[in-house]
Amino acid sequence: DSGVTQTPKHLITATGQRVTLRCSPRSGDLSVYWYQQSLDQGLQFLIQYYNGEERAKGNILERFSAQQFPDLHSELNLSSLELGDSALYFCASSGPGTRGEKLFFGSGTQLSVL
Amino acid sequence: AQKVTQAQTEISVVEKEDVTLDCVYETRDTTYYLFWYKQPPSGELVFLIRRNSFDEQNEISGRYSWNFQKSTSSFNFTITASQVVDSAVYFCALSERGSQGNLIFGKGTKLSVKP
Repeated sequence: DSGVTQTPKHLITATGQRVTLRCSPRSGDLSVYWYQQSLDQGLQFLIQYYNGEERAKGNILERFSAQQFPDLHSELNLSSLELGDSALYFCASSGPGTRGEKLFFGSGTQLSVL
Repeated sequence: AQKVTQAQTEISVVEKEDVTLDCVYETRDTTYYLFWYKQPPSGELVFLIRRNSFDEQNEISGRYSWNFQKSTSSFNFTITASQVVDSAVYFCALSERGSQGNLIFGKGTKLSVKP
């Protein structure tokens, strides 16, 4: 158990809908990262938050947004969903540093867009 | 630009064979960190090892060993006497000093160990 909690584990929705994925980092971790894993793109970094502030952006679509709340949990919002958004979405957290820290990953949210 | 290449998409071995998973990286940074993660069939990502760019010592942990060579920009992973439980997808990843900590992953190598 990595200590990172993601909910829900599975999500099935339709095209055009909006969903919210939730992540609780390990106790004491300030950084939260979101990754998308798909068969064709592999593991892609989406976005990172550190203590409530956005720190880095990767290949995140404009239809996607995220935030980190004062209690350090994070939410990833996906809107106007398309079939191609079907993927496994991981949240990860790391310790107080921001360089070279190992990431602890949650078990992921499997999103299916029908 | 940073990049991680795992040229082996799939490897199949018989139990007790040794197997090496290759990882080649590209970075312009002089300070960087390399990682290996394991993703078993259950889907979670499990941390295996981290190396910083100043530490070229090879590391051994039980049946696992890692060979870091800056001269060839490689960070290869060897499993000795493989077991069925080693079947998983293995990812190599890179984090640059200026990247705020996020990891760039290779495409992964799927290892199947048959009894």
